[in-house]
Amino acid sequence: EPEVTQTPSHQVTQMGQEVILRCVPISNHLYFYWYRQILGQKVEFLVSFYNNEISEKSEIFDDQFSVERPDGSNFTLKIRSTKLEDSAMYFCASSRPDRDNSPLHFGNGTRLTVT
Amino acid sequence: LAKTTQPISMDSYEGQEVNITCSHNNIATNDYITWYQQFPSQGPRFIIQGYKTKVTNEVASLFIPADRKSSTLSLPRVSLSDTAVYYCLVGDKAAGNKLTFGGGTRVLVKP
Repeated sequence: EPEVTQTPSHQVTQMGQEVILRCVPISNHLYFYWYRQILGQKVEFLVSFYNNEISEKSEIFDDQFSVERPDGSNFTLKIRSTKLEDSAMYFCASSRPDRDNSPLHFGNGTRLTVT
Repeated sequence: LAKTTQPISMDSYEGQEVNITCSHNNIATNDYITWYQQFPSQGPRFIIQGYKTKVTNEVASLFIPADRKSSTLSLPRVSLSDTAVYYCLVGDKAAGNKLTFGGGTRVLVKP
């Protein structure tokens, strides 16, 4: 079964540094998402992306965040200047809602630790 | 987006059936109901999705009454490996909208 893959599985960075989290969505999917989960808390929506532009974003997704689909396979989340409170698991997901029974498929996440 | 309410936790024993009910009183006409399972340090994993009545797949059943204001996920004969957090989500799948996760139900299966 096709999977969403995310790299790296764990990223440690210093406060103020830029990080790029990478995702390879399922190949025929059209919608892409980033979610995050702070340890012990809910899974929170960050942003959805369709047709090469952001379709929705949450209040968490401020100017420090950006997303890009640089080629036909990758989908990236960039945090420009990391803060301690950005430490979380970041999950990428993709879907193809034009097909029946096409829910979000999630990757196994990147654990971001900001020190 | 329709808000969902589900129990915070449930305990069960191996071999038993587990039923988790989710309330979604303000579900919209175009909304579907989707359940996900999440193990620690893993991404949520799709279990089942439905619009009305009953849906069954190889892992679970989903019961949705006619008014669609609630739904029940049924896990038959659970095993220890079914210990996880289960999330009920409501959204319009056709629009590719974001799905909003609630707190989920933490299911603990005991031997």
